[in-house]
Amino acid sequence: DAGVIQSPRHEVTEMGQEVTLRCKPISGHDYLFWYRQTMMRGLELLIYFNNNVPIDDSGMPEDRFSAKMPNASFSTLKIQPSEPRDSAVYFCASSTLGAGGGKLFFGSGTQLSVL
Amino acid sequence: GENVEQHPSTLSVQEGDSAVIKCTYSDSASNYFPWYKQELGKGPQLIIDIRSNVGEKKDQRIAVTLNKTAKHFSLHITETQPEDSAVYFCAASKGYSTLTFGKGTMLLVSP
Repeated sequence: DAGVIQSPRHEVTEMGQEVTLRCKPISGHDYLFWYRQTMMRGLELLIYFNNNVPIDDSGMPEDRFSAKMPNASFSTLKIQPSEPRDSAVYFCASSTLGAGGGKLFFGSGTQLSVL
Repeated sequence: GENVEQHPSTLSVQEGDSAVIKCTYSDSASNYFPWYKQELGKGPQLIIDIRSNVGEKKDQRIAVTLNKTAKHFSLHITETQPEDSAVYFCAASKGYSTLTFGKGTMLLVSP
């Protein structure tokens, strides 16, 4: 298995632009998580899905952030409009159980820079 | 909600020495405690985990201990090697809910 695949690896954009991050989870994994990593706040859970349904989006910082999972093999995280404080590494992870049940498999992340 | 504190934030050791990273958690109902290793440019990877019904778990050079009464758990790495250099995260969870991560420890192993 190729693991969790994220794209793009790096994204540089200007403030106000729309940004879309993409994730392909491991086949057969029922849970998908979006995390944001910054030096100040560490790893923060933004949202997670179970069987393509959003379960907990309490970590989504603002209405500018939205996430979708149209099918079991694809998810997007969209920021519109983007702001400099959104600069961070965004990780997607998948698992067969909830995060507290077992191993999370992380992708390599998307390094987002908003100028 | 759960709060996980991790110390130290950075740790430098000589190759062959042992390294210990400590975490405390706030929610006594937490029952699952994994440790993740993050190498530069990569996502975190699970290296070992422990559940609340176990006090210690070992896998080759790494071990984790759990003290439920004191609500703290630790990662022990023996005979450190340069390839152990990375950022290590502890985390805590209860039931099958989401994980709460510590802020991470940057471990540097010098040859």
